[in-house]
This record gives sequence, C-alpha cells and structure tokens, in this order.
Amino acid sequence: GENVEQHPSTLSVQEGDSAVIKCTYSDSASNYFPWYKQELGKGPQLIIDIRSNVGEKKDQRIAVTLNKTAKHFSLHITETQPEDSAVYFCAAMASRGNQFYFGTGTSLTVIP
Amino acid sequence: KAGVTQTPRYLIKTRGQQVTLSCSPISGHRSVSWYQQTPGQGLQFLFEYFSETQRNKGNFPGRFSGRQFSNSRSEMNVSTLELGDSALYLCASSLAHQETQYFGPGTRLLVL
Repeated sequence: GENVEQHPSTLSVQEGDSAVIKCTYSDSASNYFPWYKQELGKGPQLIIDIRSNVGEKKDQRIAVTLNKTAKHFSLHITETQPEDSAVYFCAAMASRGNQFYFGTGTSLTVIP
Repeated sequence: KAGVTQTPRYLIKTRGQQVTLSCSPISGHRSVSWYQQTPGQGLQFLFEYFSETQRNKGNFPGRFSGRQFSNSRSEMNVSTLELGDSALYLCASSLAHQETQYFGPGTRLLVL
C-alpha cells in the first residue's frame, strides 16, 4: 500500500515568516493530495488540495506544490499568523481506492 | 450547508463493553469513511461505505464494524472494548467514491 512520510514533525516560526511542510509518497498511482489543518479538539479541516495534473495551486497565503517525478508535495504558508498554529496533515489517495493515507502530522507554532 | 456531525462527542466506557458511534454526512454526500486517531498511530483508516455497501476496509480486527443506512448516515460499532481502543474516532464524508473528504469533529472515546 501507499506510504506517506511527513517532515518536520514540529515547526516553530515567527509571526510573518513562511512555513514549509514536506511530504513524500511511495505509490506512483496516487493522484490526489489534500492538506488538512487540525486545531485542538476539532476534526481535520481541508485547507487546500492538488491533483496530479497540476504542479502548483495557491489560495491566498497557502500554496501547495507537487513533483510527481520525485513523488513529493509541499505546503507553503506565507505571512504566518498566530491562528495558523495547529497540526497539519498531508494525505495521498490513489485512483483505485477511496482510502486516504495520511502523514504523521506537523505541529506548527507561530510565535507572536 | 451543515457539516458532518458526529454523536456523541465524548464517551467513557469500560473494558469489555461495546459502543456505537454515529455519523451524519453532509447533505447529498453518499460516501462515509471512518478513521481512528491516536497520538502514537496517527490517522488510521477503518472502513468506507458508499451506497450502504462497505467499499474498503483497513487493518483493524473484526471487533470494529460499521454500516450505512439508506439516508447515508453511518454507524460504527466496537465490541469487547480494550484499553487500546481509546482514541478520537473521525468520520469523513464525500460526494462519492474517490472525492474530497470532509471531516466531522470526532467522537472521543475513553476506555477504562
């Protein structure tokens, strides 16, 4: 099955700086890559996603890049704010199934 | 549109008991997936239901079971609870198979 690795496990940045979280996957058939943000006591919330026919996608301060050849994708958050502090999960899904494989999560802390 | 709802939000049980958790998907969504989230194992896929049929199953023992009703609402049941079953159980719904998943707030189960 698919194996998704996520780095770093913890990340601290100063408010206003950028944050980058990276994920790699093993199954070349994976073609859909969502990112979720999970705040304390809540379920994961979809923040951005990308499909394999696209190399980059942006939504205001958030962007995701995908390199299918290298099998890695990254989340970029610019101009970070304290409310960006949360745990972020990447995931991958192959076209043959509806099972998402999740990374182990990155705990992001934005220091005011 | 209302999001995914899960009941109950918190539950305390003792070893050997059984428990049933409920999930109501977003209106119009026909696929429901269940996940177990623990600090040590992260997000692990339990099973997915689509049109009342189980489409996928993760690597969990037979004590974990589920079902989906004609209105797409889903329940999962855990029999003969063990201490290790303590976790946050998340439900995610999607329009159809292989579509973007949206998570509910989860049910936090504590087994004593």
